Amino acid sequence: QLQLQESGPGLVKPSETLSLTCTVSGGSISSSSYYWGWIRQPPGKGLEWIGNIYYSGSTYYNPSLKSRVTISVDTSKNQFSLNLSSVTAADTAVYYCARSSIAVTEQFDYWGQGTLVTVSS
Amino acid sequence: QSVLTQPPSVSAAPGQKVTISCSGSSSNIGNNYVSWYQQLPGTAPKLLIYENNKRPSGIPDRFSGSKSGTSATLGITGLQTGDEADYYCGTWDRSLSAGVFGGGTKLTVL
Repeated sequence: QLQLQESGPGLVKPSETLSLTCTVSGGSISSSSYYWGWIRQPPGKGLEWIGNIYYSGSTYYNPSLKSRVTISVDTSKNQFSLNLSSVTAADTAVYYCARSSIAVTEQFDYWGQGTLVTVSS
Repeated sequence: QSVLTQPPSVSAAPGQKVTISCSGSSSNIGNNYVSWYQQLPGTAPKLLIYENNKRPSGIPDRFSGSKSGTSATLGITGLQTGDEADYYCGTWDRSLSAGVFGGGTKLTVL
């Protein structure tokens, strides 16, 4: 059974960089059939897609966040990561990592449990 | 303000049927697949419907999806108290070049 697990600091200071890692188990991140993505959800609000990455390193991002987002992959560790720079309180959210198919890349079939990141001094 | 419009809440009695709408445009729903997610309180979203009307393995046939033009609908029959959750639609938006979600609908089973 595929499992995804987010990890990283739960508290980040304003103007700093938020860094999270998603560890994939029960399957290979190097599969040619899938993309891997990040989605976030501010407390009490809806879902926002952040971006996706392919095992080759090919990425695409939400234009509204593109200037601040970097997603990378480490196939040797079966992990992919999210960096979000210059954070503000508006970036406080539960961050989820998830898997999508290569055919329909905005459709996520496996999700991590999510990790709450609070931006505060 | 979400690109996809969902009703904030719907309710129905146990055993009844409910539908949740998701309205968009030609740049999103009109030309792309729609997926639906169930988010139980305090948990991650779970894929209920993909490619407009397909159910992943393990999702009961009480859940159904349909699409017509620039709108999509999630249907749930034989409502159970365990179905109380937030439901989200999602798709790709060509104009935004981004994955987009609806604002979510809270289902209450009275």
